Amino acid sequence: KQEVTQIPAALSVPEGENLVLNCSFTDSAIYNLQWFRQDPGKGLTSLLLIQSSQREQTSGRLNASLDKSSGRSTLYIAASQPGDSATYLCAVSLGRGTYKYIFGTGTRLKVLA
Amino acid sequence: DTAVSQTPKYLVTQMGNDKSIKCEQNLGHDTMYWYKQDSKKFLKIMFSYNNKELIINETVPNRFSPKSPDKAHLNLHINSLELGDSAVYFCASSQVGGVTEAFFGQGTRLTVV
Repeated sequence: KQEVTQIPAALSVPEGENLVLNCSFTDSAIYNLQWFRQDPGKGLTSLLLIQSSQREQTSGRLNASLDKSSGRSTLYIAASQPGDSATYLCAVSLGRGTYKYIFGTGTRLKVLA
Repeated sequence: DTAVSQTPKYLVTQMGNDKSIKCEQNLGHDTMYWYKQDSKKFLKIMFSYNNKELIINETVPNRFSPKSPDKAHLNLHINSLELGDSAVYFCASSQVGGVTEAFFGQGTRLTVV
């Protein structure tokens, strides 16, 4: 059974710091991995999608990497800003025909001005 | 234009009542989902539909009945509401189930009193 864990559960950093959020999954047979952010009381916003054949994806100040064999993904946020404060979630898909995404436990990030 | 929209955003109701949540996506996707987010912010799949057909029912009580009148709509009807049903319910869609990027609605916060 696929389990997805995110460490740390919560993180506070001063503005301007570079930071790394971690996502671990127990079954390496994933099809893709998606990172989301969730603002309080809001829905999920898709940040990056990494296919299992890819090693990383970049969007602006965000860089997500994937190491399938070790069951890990990281989300790197450069030069953090107070507007980055949110909960970050990773989700894995087991592929065509599975019709679901399995979510991690989330990391609550606070960037202090 | 909102890609995945849910109504209502908030729902407060008494135990024993029946309520419905509606979801619509304008992305032309084939697959739609219902997820439940509990008080610890953990997201768990409830149902998946592909082209109006139920694909996944993740051991959800019979009191929950999804209905997909067409590919763009997936509604969730809940009978005999219980206190434990209080949660945030998210609708999502993707072009291909478990393969492509998933997009989420803003959520419906259900409070049963």
